[in-house]
Amino acid sequence: GDSVTQMEGPVTLSEEAFLTINCTYTATGYPSLFWYVQYPGEGLQLLLKATKADDKGSNKGFEATYRKETTSFHLEKGSVQVSDSAVYFCALSAPGSARQLTFGSGTQLTVLP
Amino acid sequence: KAGVTQTPRYLIKTRGQQVTLSCSPISGHRSVSWYQQTPGQGLQFLFEYFSETQRNKGNFPGRFSGRQFSNSRSEMNVSTLELGDSALYLCASSLGQGANNEQFFGPGTRLTVL
Repeated sequence: GDSVTQMEGPVTLSEEAFLTINCTYTATGYPSLFWYVQYPGEGLQLLLKATKADDKGSNKGFEATYRKETTSFHLEKGSVQVSDSAVYFCALSAPGSARQLTFGSGTQLTVLP
Repeated sequence: KAGVTQTPRYLIKTRGQQVTLSCSPISGHRSVSWYQQTPGQGLQFLFEYFSETQRNKGNFPGRFSGRQFSNSRSEMNVSTLELGDSALYLCASSLGQGANNEQFFGPGTRLTVL
């Protein structure tokens, strides 16, 4: 079945450091790929998405590129802020099952001032 | 526009009891999906409802059930609660049409089974 493998956490960075969270997937066909963020005590918020190969999703300084050849969707940000501290989830939805998301295990990010 | 609301936010039950959780989607959204979040298993898909019909179901026992009403509000029910059912239950709504419409998540209901 479909699966998402995400970089183990927790990740601790200093403010203004560069962030990369690795995400690889296994799926048949061409899934849509997503990054969600969860702040303490809250539900999930969609951070960015990509629906086809070579698409780049971006939002709030975060970026991720859909790489079909390496089945990856790594999350990057050039300069993190304390307010970026949260748990980040990589997810996919298979063609024809748009509202059934398969999630990675999540990566806890802490940014120190 | 109001977001997805879930009630109650916190719930404590004992083993063997049953529980009903409620989700009100964003106005105009016709699809509601439910997920279970636990430290051990992460986020897992439970089921999705669209226009009062279950369209997809995850790999959970029959103790987990749901329904959707004509106003798109949804409830999920867990019967004969087990300790392992302690989790954050998240509901997400979407328009329900089109291949890639975004899902909007509620804040969740934290269920503790004692």
